[in-house]
Parts: sequence; structure tokens; C-alpha cells
Amino acid sequence: DSGVTQTPKHLITATGQRVTLRCSPRSGDLSVYWYQQSLDQGLQFLIQYYNGEERAKGNILERFSAQQFPDLHSELNLSSLELGDSALYFCASRYHGTGINQPQHFGDGTRLSIL
Amino acid sequence: DQQVKQNSPSLSVQEGRISILNCDYTNSMFDYFLWYKKYPAEGPTFLISISSIKDKNEDGRFTVFLNKSAKHLSLHIVPSQPGDSAVYFCAASEVRGSTLGRLYFGRGTQLTVWP
Repeated sequence: DSGVTQTPKHLITATGQRVTLRCSPRSGDLSVYWYQQSLDQGLQFLIQYYNGEERAKGNILERFSAQQFPDLHSELNLSSLELGDSALYFCASRYHGTGINQPQHFGDGTRLSIL
Repeated sequence: DQQVKQNSPSLSVQEGRISILNCDYTNSMFDYFLWYKKYPAEGPTFLISISSIKDKNEDGRFTVFLNKSAKHLSLHIVPSQPGDSAVYFCAASEVRGSTLGRLYFGRGTQLTVWP
């Protein structure tokens, strides 16, 4: 158990709809990262939040947005969904103490299926 | 563009033998590298990392080797055990002060260890 909680585990919806994925980081971790893993692809970095502020942006579509709340949980919002958005979405968190050897810890992901 | 490449999608090894997983990267600015292991229906789990100031890092049965001139790293597992069967992801990042930048992941190698 990594300590990172993602809900829901599975989500099935239709094209054009909007969904919200939720992530609770490990206790004490200030950074939250979102990744997308499509079929046979590596994890593609989407966005990072640190203590409520956007810190880095990757290959995130304009239809997607995220935020981190004061209690440090994060939500990834996906709108105008397309078939190609079907993927595993992972959240990771990281502790920003001294040193760089603090790895990201991943949740078990949300599997999004667009019908 | 894939800045981190794992060119072998799968590897099959007999129990007790050595498993060698390979990873290449193209960005010379990367100076920190990580390996993650992923079981089905779970998130990636951090395994081992190496800084570019080293060429080897060992943790129990796992050793990571870094060849900066070749932009190549490898993960050695000795001896391999059936429980090591999983997808292994290589990741790379730049060190920025006291923290890491975003992670770039390869597509993963499925390791199967057979009895």
C-alpha cells in the first residue's frame, strides 16, 4: 500500500461527458502528479501541483484541468471526453524534504473507459 | 518524442538466473534515473534510483548501472524470482536544486520469471 488513494477505480462514461478523478496523497506529501497511461504507452506526465499551486505542466490537453485543495487532495477534471481519452490515470505524490532521493509514490490508478 | 526508451517490450528469464533490463535516453540534461515495478491492477512501485554522479547503485538483488557516455542504463536482478514478474519502467529526470523535475518514463518491459 503506497498510501496514495485514487477514486474511483473504474469509470465508464460516454463521449462528450465530463468526469472528475480524485487523489489523496500520502500524509505529509505536498506534491501531487497526474499521469496518463494509454494502451502500450509509458506513463505520460500531465501536471504537477505543489502545496496548492501548479508547478509543472506536461502533455495535458486543454479539455483537462486539475487543482489541489487546501487539504492537499487533488482532482483531475476531464471534459468533452473522446474515445482516445480511454486510459489509466495515475496520481503520484512526493515528499519535498531535503535531498532529491524522495521518489514519487503512485496510487493504483483510475481506469477510464469511454464508450 | 520519446526521451526515454525501453526497446525490449518483454523479457523471459528462468528462476535463479540474472535478469537484465535496458533503458536508453536521449536528453543529456537528465541526471537522475529511477526504476519502477508495476504489477497488474496496481500502481508503479519505486524500486531503485541512481544519480549521474555514480555509475552503479545496489540494493539487495537489484543493481542499476549507468553509462552516461552511452546514455544507457540497465537494471540487473540477481537471482531472479517468480515474484519479480512484473512490468519494469525506467524513468529519468533533471535535478533542479534540491528537488527533481518531471519524470519521463519509458514504455516498460514485461519481465516473466519462470520456474
